[in-house]
Amino acid sequence: QQPVQSPQAVILREGEDAVINCSSSKALYSVHWYRQKHGEAPVFLMILLKGGEQKGHEKISASFNEKKQQSSLYLTASQLSYSGTYFCGTPANAGGTSYGKLTFGQGTILTVHP
Amino acid sequence: ETGVTQTPRHLVMGMTNKKSLKCEQHLGHNAMYWYKQSAKKPLELMFVYNFKEQTENNSVPSRFSPECPNSSHLFLHLHTLQPEDSALYLCASSPRRVPYEQYFGPGTRLTVT
Repeated sequence: QQPVQSPQAVILREGEDAVINCSSSKALYSVHWYRQKHGEAPVFLMILLKGGEQKGHEKISASFNEKKQQSSLYLTASQLSYSGTYFCGTPANAGGTSYGKLTFGQGTILTVHP
Repeated sequence: ETGVTQTPRHLVMGMTNKKSLKCEQHLGHNAMYWYKQSAKKPLELMFVYNFKEQTENNSVPSRFSPECPNSSHLFLHLHTLQPEDSALYLCASSPRRVPYEQYFGPGTRLTVT
């Protein structure tokens, strides 16, 4: 079952902050975040692992609440380059041993204006 | 060439044609994936290969036939497609270890007429 992202779209001015949420109906082992600019491939941003380990981006942070089965992506002091669609992906099973089988959320469209 | 490459970038084909999409990764990964991305829909996983073995077929119609001759190359053979198969087809690769972060190619924009 796919995770649910909120909001569906966000419009910001440069320098403003945004939070994108990803919620799952099942226990999570990890949450993956990707960004896709229009006409381009999705780009890996970061992964949050059960137990708190985080791997990823230098200017974007995220949290992972295992009990609530959700993750939030924090974009602070947004730049024009942050515009794009953000996807979260969750493994098919809680153990994470699903050989990379991810189920993706529907995406959140982020637009940053000057 | 670095990263994940896909050819062709654009493809228009009739419903009776046979064509193939190619993906190549230069990252030393052992897992490769095909995804379908349709307008206003989430990324849909189609196939997963680990060390050339197919480990996942996400109920994909048989008119899509994947092939993985080695860990660096992945093909998607297409035949007798339907107009609803028009979409962006993305290839990705990942290391074969948890947490399997994935690196995507630029995609092939497929139009079935």
